Amino acid sequence: EAGVVQSPRYKIIEKKQPVAFWCNPISGHNTLYWYLQNLGQGPELLIRYENEEAVDDSQLPKDRFSAERLKGVDSTLKIQPAELGDSAVYLCASSSRLGSIQYFGAGTRLSVL
Amino acid sequence: SQQGEEDPQALSIQEGENATMNCSYKTSINNLQWYRQNSGRGLVHLILIRSNEREKHSGRLRVTLDTSKKSSSLLITASRAADTASYFCATDGAGANNLFFGTGTRLTVIP
Repeated sequence: EAGVVQSPRYKIIEKKQPVAFWCNPISGHNTLYWYLQNLGQGPELLIRYENEEAVDDSQLPKDRFSAERLKGVDSTLKIQPAELGDSAVYLCASSSRLGSIQYFGAGTRLSVL
Repeated sequence: SQQGEEDPQALSIQEGENATMNCSYKTSINNLQWYRQNSGRGLVHLILIRSNEREKHSGRLRVTLDTSKKSSSLLITASRAADTASYFCATDGAGANNLFFGTGTRLTVIP
């Protein structure tokens, strides 16, 4: 069984530029999560999808961040424009149902210069 | 803010020794999970313990849960160099649908 796939693994951009991250969850997993992980910290939830519906985006900075999960499978997280403080690792995870074990991708490490 | 706090923040031991990490959380929970993260990688689930359980084992891992103290511990026995990683506890918070991760314990096992 393939795991959660994220791309790119690394991204370096200048501030004010846009950036997008892509996530392909485990096949059949209805719940998809995007997390932000700062250095030395645990992951913090940005948004949770149940199928194609964003059911919890309360922690997503909506002025610059957006996300979509078309057809309830792959998901894209976008930042526009990026700020220096957005430098972090962006993790995607999926689970078969709410409250069950989460499977994480390797993450995208973003550096904003 | 994060729900859990791990203690210690960092732990360094010799190979073959046991490693104990503690997690404290703030609200009632349905279950508590422990995850491992190797440097530059995503998190990997280790073990889940439900609020009505007190102890759970998986291989060299032993997890305890004390809901009255809102705390959990993860014991890794006979540690190996490959156990070097960061370990996070995560709680769901009763009534919450999301996981809240702690700040993690960075474990270094010296060969």
